[in-house]
Amino acid sequence: QLVESGGGSVQPGGSLRLSCSVSGFIFSNYWMSWVRQAPGKGLECVANIKQDGRETYYVDSVKGRFTISRDNAKSSLYLQMDNLRVDDTAMYYCARISGEYGYYGEYWFHPWGQGTRVTVSS
Amino acid sequence: SSDLTQVPALSVALGQTVRLTCQGDSLRTYYSSWYQQKPGQAPRVVMYGENNRPSGIPDRFSGSSSGNTASLTITGAQAEDEADYYCHSRDTTGDLVLFGGGTRLTVL
Repeated sequence: QLVESGGGSVQPGGSLRLSCSVSGFIFSNYWMSWVRQAPGKGLECVANIKQDGRETYYVDSVKGRFTISRDNAKSSLYLQMDNLRVDDTAMYYCARISGEYGYYGEYWFHPWGQGTRVTVSS
Repeated sequence: SSDLTQVPALSVALGQTVRLTCQGDSLRTYYSSWYQQKPGQAPRVVMYGENNRPSGIPDRFSGSSSGNTASLTITGAQAEDEADYYCHSRDTTGDLVLFGGGTRLTVL
């Protein structure tokens, strides 16, 4: 089970920190991901993080503004979002990455949390 | 290339077969996965790899791939299959995470 929290409304330029609390599997064994969905739009992978936290991936549009991190002792995933823009408005989902993401093999996102909504507006 | 292309909308009669497609150069090299999303719900994976269904996904869902096209086939579509479907894979470098734009499936 993955449960996101931390979403809300913020003005452009503001910050939010999303959290994802994980249970039901060994968190430290998996790459983890944040995937977002703007209203009425498709899915976009925002950031991924390796099991030990030493390797990360960011979509170009959030590089330098968002930071993904994890605490394996707490089975928790985080997304620090700074300098937020209107186009960051979206539902943000936490998802486990299954398969061989780090080795250019097949991988997929499963399971997913229910999401936390982020609204950036003046 | 960094695009996965899906038809925006499809419809299928109840009980009939429908094939959803996803096109992209990277699909010649990398496997895809498929996600179903119903209104107000989180996505869930329905197919991954060559033709693998997660536990709980009905066997009317099947996957295939040929050249630059990955396909998700629903054989005997049911009303509960009405949803948005997204494909996913890597880009041609293997480094980027890509999702297709999604196909809205209507079951008539």
